[in-house]
Amino acid sequence: AQTVTQSQPEMSVQEAETVTLSCTYDTSESDYYLFWYKQPPSRQMILVIRQEAYKQQNATENRFSVNFQKAAKSFSLKISDSQLGDAAMYFCAYRENDMRFGAGTRLTVKP
Amino acid sequence: SQTIHQWPATLVQPVGSPLSLECTVEGTSNPNLYWYRQAAGRGLQLLFYSVGIGQISSEVPQNLSASRPQDRQFILSSKKLLLSDSGFYLCAWSPGQGAYGYTFGSGTRLTVV
Repeated sequence: AQTVTQSQPEMSVQEAETVTLSCTYDTSESDYYLFWYKQPPSRQMILVIRQEAYKQQNATENRFSVNFQKAAKSFSLKISDSQLGDAAMYFCAYRENDMRFGAGTRLTVKP
Repeated sequence: SQTIHQWPATLVQPVGSPLSLECTVEGTSNPNLYWYRQAAGRGLQLLFYSVGIGQISSEVPQNLSASRPQDRQFILSSKKLLLSDSGFYLCAWSPGQGAYGYTFGSGTRLTVV
C-alpha cells in the first residue's frame, strides 16, 4: 500500500518569510497525483495545490509552490510571504485510485 | 456548482447507541464518495469509499458500516458505538478517479461517552 510521510509534526515561520513543508511517499506506480491540503482551526479541508506525476514542471498557485522530485519520491510545499491566515495543519496526499494522507504538519505563523 | 453537505456538525452519543451520519452532494451525478476519520491531531484514515449506488468498499474492518442508497447520498452507520469510535468524521467526493482532488464536507465531531 502506498504510504505518505510528513516528517515535520510542527513548523513555525515568521510573517512575510518563506517556509517549506516536507513530504515523501512510497509507490511503485509511475502515474499518480499529489496534493497539499490545508486544514485551519475550522477543520474544513481546503485544497491548496495539485501535481500530476507525469509533469516535470512544478505546480504553483500564487504564494504556494511545490518542489516535486519524482525519483526521490519527494513533494515539498513552499509558502512564500507567509501570512497569519496560513496557520493551519497541512496534509500531503497521494492519489492513484483513492487518496492517502500523511499525518500532517502544524504550521504556526508568528507576527 | 457542486456542494457537499454533511450533518450533524457535532454529536455526543453514549456507548452502545446507534449512529447515523449523512452526507449528500449536489450539482453532480455519479460522484465517488468517501468517509474518512481523523483522530485528534492526526491524519485522515480512509474508512469507506463508493463508486456507485450500492457499491461500498471498506478499508478498515471495524464497528462501522456505510451505505449509498441514492446516487448522491452516503451514510455512515454503527449499530453499537464504542468509545474508540470518537473522532472527527469527514465526507468527501470527487468526479472520478485519478486526477481529481477531493472536495470535503465540513465534518462531524463525534464524542462517544
